[in-house]
Amino acid sequence: KAGVTQTPRYLIKTRGQQVTLSCSPISGHRSVSWYQQTPGQGLQFLFEYFSETQRNKGNFPGRFSGRQFSNSRSEMNVSTLELGDSALYLCASSLVGGTHEQYFGPGTRLTVT
Amino acid sequence: GQQVMQIPQYQHVQEGEDFTTYCNSSTTLSNIQWYKQRPGGHPVFLIQLVKSGEVKKQKRLTFQFGEAKKNSSLHITATQTTDVGTYFCAGQPARQLTFGSGTQLTVLP
Repeated sequence: KAGVTQTPRYLIKTRGQQVTLSCSPISGHRSVSWYQQTPGQGLQFLFEYFSETQRNKGNFPGRFSGRQFSNSRSEMNVSTLELGDSALYLCASSLVGGTHEQYFGPGTRLTVT
Repeated sequence: GQQVMQIPQYQHVQEGEDFTTYCNSSTTLSNIQWYKQRPGGHPVFLIQLVKSGEVKKQKRLTFQFGEAKKNSSLHITATQTTDVGTYFCAGQPARQLTFGSGTQLTVLP
């Protein structure tokens, strides 16, 4: 099976702009979770989607949003970018759900200048 | 908030030495998972422990889940340079999966 794919892999944006990141889960996986990884904060949970419904949400401001489509592909959006949003954004899919075995994609490296 | 604590943050070992990383939660965990992230890579699932006192082995790696299901450890016997990376535990002290801060392992040849 193909693994989790994320696009784009790298992105440079300016403060105040918005960005949309995409994730395609492993075929058959209906759960998609998003994480932010930074050197200082580690892996922080953003949200989880399961069958197009947001099932869980982490402690991030409303500028961070996501959605899931009927084919389980997911997107996350960050509006009004801040310098502190620079991070590696990881998507993970799971067969069972966001609290079980996670298969991570390669991530999108976002740099905000 | 409820967290999963992991120590040490960094560990440097000579190739051939053993390595252990520890994970602790203030609340009981339904399960504990372990992941490995190579430098420049993404986390890769290693194993999940579910039962109290459970011990699982994968070649040179031994994973334990505490009797109270609040702590876990990963032990690597006779480290090799291929073991380099950051090891994360992950549990569910609340509704969501929470990752520990990770232990970055450096193996000196």
